[in-house]
Amino acid sequence: KNQVEQSPQSLIILEGKNCTLQCNYTVSPFSNLRWYKQDTGRGPVSLTIMTFSENTKSNGRYTATLDADTKQSSLHITASQLSDSASYICVVSDRGSTLGRLYFGRGTQLTVWP
Amino acid sequence: NAGVTQTPKFQVLKTGQSMTLQCAQDMNHNSMYWYRQDPGMGLRLIYYSASEGTTDKGEVPNGYNVSRLNKREFSLRLESAAPSQTSVYFCASSPPRISNQPQHFGDGTRLSIL
Repeated sequence: KNQVEQSPQSLIILEGKNCTLQCNYTVSPFSNLRWYKQDTGRGPVSLTIMTFSENTKSNGRYTATLDADTKQSSLHITASQLSDSASYICVVSDRGSTLGRLYFGRGTQLTVWP
Repeated sequence: NAGVTQTPKFQVLKTGQSMTLQCAQDMNHNSMYWYRQDPGMGLRLIYYSASEGTTDKGEVPNGYNVSRLNKREFSLRLESAAPSQTSVYFCASSPPRISNQPQHFGDGTRLSIL
């Protein structure tokens, strides 16, 4: 069964600290993995997209890694800011159809305290 | 540069009432989607439209209908609302080949059914 599991479910860190969010998936055949940021009351916004051949991609203070062999990804946030408080969603796409089926994780709720 | 616009932002219905959620995008995207997001669960696909004139069922289509009015607009209709349809509904759009392109989401419609 194709699934996307994220950990931890929630996380609290102090402003300025780094953190790492985890995503494990069983989706096959794999096409790409995305990380989205969803602020409270808003829609998700894309942070990174990685294909099979990419093992790291950065977007400012956000760095995503992908290990396609172990089917794991991580999102590392450097020097956290209060505005990083949000839900971070891992999404994996398969190659089973032209459109590409998307499998959504439940998200990690990050809270950054001053 | 609005992106994806959803209306209304909030709505309260009584069981059995009908309503249509509106979605419009100004990015000239071929593909559009409707999702629902419930607490503790990942986004679930209700319907999608790969191109103007076509629609297909997603993971949870029961109780919903859609209309791809033109390339810009994709509406979601609840014919007879039920309390189980209380949720946050997100519309999204993407270029034709979703594989390496992000989806762009609206900010959601918060729907409560009493």
